[in-house]
Amino acid sequence: DTAVSQTPKYLVTQMGNDKSIKCEQNLGHDTMYWYKQDSKKFLKIMFSYNNKELIINETVPNRFSPKSPDKAHLNLHINSLELGDSAVYFCASSQGGDRTEAFFGQGTRLTVV
Amino acid sequence: QQQVKQSPQSLIVQKGGISIINCAYENTAFDYFPWYQQFPGKGPALLIAIRPDVSEKKEGRFTISFNKSAKQFSLHIMDSQPGDSATYFCAASKSGYSTLTFGKGTMLLVSP
Repeated sequence: DTAVSQTPKYLVTQMGNDKSIKCEQNLGHDTMYWYKQDSKKFLKIMFSYNNKELIINETVPNRFSPKSPDKAHLNLHINSLELGDSAVYFCASSQGGDRTEAFFGQGTRLTVV
Repeated sequence: QQQVKQSPQSLIVQKGGISIINCAYENTAFDYFPWYQQFPGKGPALLIAIRPDVSEKKEGRFTISFNKSAKQFSLHIMDSQPGDSATYFCAASKSGYSTLTFGKGTMLLVSP
């Protein structure tokens, strides 16, 4: 069983479209995250959710809206996609607090054309 | 502001050699320092991690050395193998604030 799974793995879309990426974890963790990896492979935190509540929003444009229907799911919706949004988006989860071991999904490669 | 600086950007090591990757951090509130390994097309996977109450941690061929006064930590891969070829990321986080601040990554190539 995959611990953190994301869908889709690849997403190609036109500028201006709206798209969503889904994430599910079966580890029973309390905290979930979205990270963005740019073309130079730099990984940066976007959002952190703990028990369905937003904890951290790291200066991400408000076109990005995370939604957590329950503790095991954290989806990322992106409105009005721009060329600069092209990147690999990783979902991750951890137990939270001092238990900081984070487990990452396989990533979603988003290409905006 | 780059809070975790990683070097080198890329590294080529012969099979059987020692790979060494270095990181330096600025924020003294960081108290958890993991290393992640990422293969192409995959997500980062936790390799080994250390907290500042110890100066070294070893797991198999992988060792973290930690120097609290210098605010530096490094990953040593002993007897490097071609299967170790990947991108390695150091990271840091603070207790109770579990998001990770990553270094920029090191692309390691172990030649046969």
